[in-house]
Amino acid sequence: EAQVTQNPRYLITVTGKKLTVTCSQNMNHEYMSWYRQDPGLGLRQIYYSMNVEVTDKGDVPEGYKVSRKEKRNFPLILESPSPNQTSLYFCASSFVRGMSNYGYTFGSGTRLTVV
Amino acid sequence: AQTVTQSQPEMSVQEAETVTLSCTYDTSESNYYLFWYKQPPSRQMILVIRQEAYKQQNATENRFSVNFQKAAKSFSLKISDSQLGDTAMYFCAFRAGGSQGNLIFGKGTKLSVKP
Repeated sequence: EAQVTQNPRYLITVTGKKLTVTCSQNMNHEYMSWYRQDPGLGLRQIYYSMNVEVTDKGDVPEGYKVSRKEKRNFPLILESPSPNQTSLYFCASSFVRGMSNYGYTFGSGTRLTVV
Repeated sequence: AQTVTQSQPEMSVQEAETVTLSCTYDTSESNYYLFWYKQPPSRQMILVIRQEAYKQQNATENRFSVNFQKAAKSFSLKISDSQLGDTAMYFCAFRAGGSQGNLIFGKGTKLSVKP
């Protein structure tokens, strides 16, 4: 089954304790992205990647890191989480083929709480 | 920079009736794609419908259809014969054509379908 797999689905952590949210897709998509969703703000992009070893900042990158060492994986790293990073996080991927763009396929989301 | 505006934070509709969700966007791009995503209480992001800007014909997917007004930069979603399972957050999204286009979301409309 074609899908984007995020883990964990729920995570409660303490301020300052490094964590990684994993994301993997099995569709050979070039493009992957991380979003955070907060009430009243919609989805805001954190980082995206056009392909292996190519990453760039989105609208709200502060406090986050990413890496793209393999095409299928795009982990999100919080080196020192803070309570304002409590949010619902989504990983997404898509093809990008010339001028023909597609909608994203989303993971199931990770509910992160930082206390 | 592109922006997407959903002016209706919440809406409700009676089961079996028709409802229209509004979306406007701002861009200087000539080639782009527009999407409606549904997020039910399970929080999964589900692609409902997709419209290419170069196509004049409005997209339709079963009970879901769009009214795409390119000159007015308007992209509304019509849901016919509303069902209880249509209760969800609905997000309008924009993506510029070409390989650099990120998916930009509106803040969402919460739709409640009442029995």
